[in-house]
Amino acid sequence: AQSVSQHNHHVILSEAASLELGCNYSYGGTVNLFWYVQYPGQHLQLLLKYFSGDPLVKGIKGFEAEFIKSKFSFNLRKPSVQWSDTAEYFCAVNGLSGGSYIPTFGRGTSLIVHP
Amino acid sequence: EAQVTQNPRYLITVTGKKLTVTCSQNMNHEYMSWYRQDPGLGLRQIYYSMNVEVTDKGDVPEGYKVSRKEKRNFPLILESPSPNQTSLYFCASSLLASGRPGTQYFGPGTRLLVL
Repeated sequence: AQSVSQHNHHVILSEAASLELGCNYSYGGTVNLFWYVQYPGQHLQLLLKYFSGDPLVKGIKGFEAEFIKSKFSFNLRKPSVQWSDTAEYFCAVNGLSGGSYIPTFGRGTSLIVHP
Repeated sequence: EAQVTQNPRYLITVTGKKLTVTCSQNMNHEYMSWYRQDPGLGLRQIYYSMNVEVTDKGDVPEGYKVSRKEKRNFPLILESPSPNQTSLYFCASSLLASGRPGTQYFGPGTRLLVL
C-alpha cells in the first residue's frame, strides 16, 4: 500500500523566514502529487499539484514544490513566509493501489508564522 | 458558484442513534469521497465513489455506510455511532482523468461529537 510521510509535524517561523516542508511517498508507479492547505477554521484547498512535465511546480501565494522522482519526494518551499501562511499543510499522492486510485494524505504539518 | 456543501456543520449525538451527513456537489464530478480528520493522523479516507452506484471502501470504512444514487449527492451514514467516531468529517469531489481522481474540492467539514 502506498504511504505518504511528512517529516515536520510542527514548524514555527518568523515572518520573512524561508520554508521547506518535506514530503516523501512510497510508491513505484506513476503518481500525481498534491499539496493542500487548510487555514484555521476552513476546509482544505489546493496549493499546487504535479501531474507531469516540469518537476518544479509553482502554486498560489508564492509556494512551489519540486518533484524528485529518484528520491520519491515532493517538498514544498516558500522563500519568505508571511503571517497569513499560518495553516496546516497536507501532502497527498494518487497512485494505483489494489486496482484503484486512492488518494493518500500525509499526516499534515502545522505551520505557525510569528509576525 | 462551484462548491461542495455538507450538512450539518456541527452535530452532537448519543451512542447508537443513527445519523446521516449529507454531501452535495454542483460541478458534475464523477469522483466523490469522505474523509475523517483526527489530530496527528491527518486525513483518512472512509469511502469513495467513482460514479453513480459505484462505491468502495477507503482506509477506515468500519462503522460507516455510503450511497451514490445520484451523481451530485454522496451521503455518509453512521448506523450506530460510537464515541470513537467523534471527528471532523470532510466530503470531497473531483473529476476523473484516465481513471484517477484529480484535484479534490473539499466541503466545509462536519464536526461530530458522539457522547
